[in-house]
Amino acid sequence: AQTVTQSQPEMSVQEAETVTLSCTYDTSESDYYLFWYKQPPSRQMILVIRQEAYKQQNATENRFSVNFQKAAKSFSLKISDSQLGDAAMYFCAYRTITSGSRLTFGEGTQLTVNP
Amino acid sequence: NAGVTQTPKFRVLKTGQSMTLLCAQDMNHEYMYWYRQDPGMGLRLIHYSVGEGTTAKGEVPDGYNVSRLKKQNFLLGLESAAPSQTSVYFCASSYGLARELFFGEGSRLTVL
Repeated sequence: AQTVTQSQPEMSVQEAETVTLSCTYDTSESDYYLFWYKQPPSRQMILVIRQEAYKQQNATENRFSVNFQKAAKSFSLKISDSQLGDAAMYFCAYRTITSGSRLTFGEGTQLTVNP
Repeated sequence: NAGVTQTPKFRVLKTGQSMTLLCAQDMNHEYMYWYRQDPGMGLRLIHYSVGEGTTAKGEVPDGYNVSRLKKQNFLLGLESAAPSQTSVYFCASSYGLARELFFGEGSRLTVL
């Protein structure tokens, strides 16, 4: 079974600065998908960014980008020019292409943005 | 286009009572999932379905049952609620393997 680990329960960043959230995963599969989801206090799960394992190029989405290291099984999220609205719980998730294509989540990182 | 809708949003039960959570999606998605979220543990998969009439166990299925009689609906049942089932429950759906999951707003269940 796949596992996802987020080693930083809490992180903080100053407004307009850059922060990187870490994520590692364990799998024996060669094809899969990785995601970062954001959960603000409203509790809604919001997709931040998606990465296909077969793509070497790192995904970017406006101020959000990832550093995908397939051999190291690492998938970190970089938030540039942090804004107060970025404050939320961030979850890293792994999606297998087998076993019902389930999504496995890490424990989450609580990000605080200081003005 | 409502996306993924969960009902009810909040519910308080007494130990031993039963209830059903309803998840409805209007996006014609094949895959549907039920997760529970507890503090410090992320989201854990309870049951899932890869199509109408199919269901399968996830990571934490004990104490729950599910049904997918219609493609757009995925029901999660608790036959005899226990305090350990106090949690926030999320339903999610997806069109295909490569796509992200779309989540409902969550349902907070408290079992006294």
